[in-house]
Amino acid sequence: NAGVTQTPKFQVLKTGQSMTLQCAQDMNHNSMYWYRQDPGMGLRLIYYSASEGTTDKGEVPNGYNVSRLNKREFSLRLESAAPSQTSVYFCASRDRYGNTIYFGEGSWLTVV
Amino acid sequence: DAKTTQPPSMDCAEGRAANLPCNHSTISGNEYVYWYRQIHSQGPQYIIHGLKNNETNEMASLIITEDRKSSTLILPHATLRDTAVYYCIVRGIQGAQKLVFGQGTRLTINP
Repeated sequence: NAGVTQTPKFQVLKTGQSMTLQCAQDMNHNSMYWYRQDPGMGLRLIYYSASEGTTDKGEVPNGYNVSRLNKREFSLRLESAAPSQTSVYFCASRDRYGNTIYFGEGSWLTVV
Repeated sequence: DAKTTQPPSMDCAEGRAANLPCNHSTISGNEYVYWYRQIHSQGPQYIIHGLKNNETNEMASLIITEDRKSSTLILPHATLRDTAVYYCIVRGIQGAQKLVFGQGTRLTINP
């Protein structure tokens, strides 16, 4: 049981480059989330998706776009990366009535 | 979702009980209190949740005050592996899809 899988685990980008972080869950969960965590800071919600076909902004959505491709997959795209987007990105999922949020292992992104 | 307030850091001796407080004075009647923790560089991990009554599982105990405006997470016999950031979150069980983590409490267990 893989749970929540994120790719890539590590990535270095140049300022202005674009990239997509992929996330997939195999638990048939309805809700999926993208968070970022800067060094020494708490988690901040970027975007979330309550169900397939819907997405909503979180606390810090600027500079990001998301796609809920199907029930399993929720991707996060940086169209023009900036050094301020250097962070660890966590994907998470939760079923509709579940109490537990399952997190992926994180994706370390550095923008130079 | 109600806002929570936690101390930024705490220390505890190994083998002793660690008591982590959380204030949630604006909690509404249908909102639960959840606790997660994040061990360095890993994704957060669910610990426990509760509505009104005190709860206990294999990891911890959760004590919620009668007015529900605050709660305490108790790790009964803390070990070095319990060193982590602990997050208190308040949200409804349904409908409230937006899950917001605060700054949490950095708990350090000392040998």
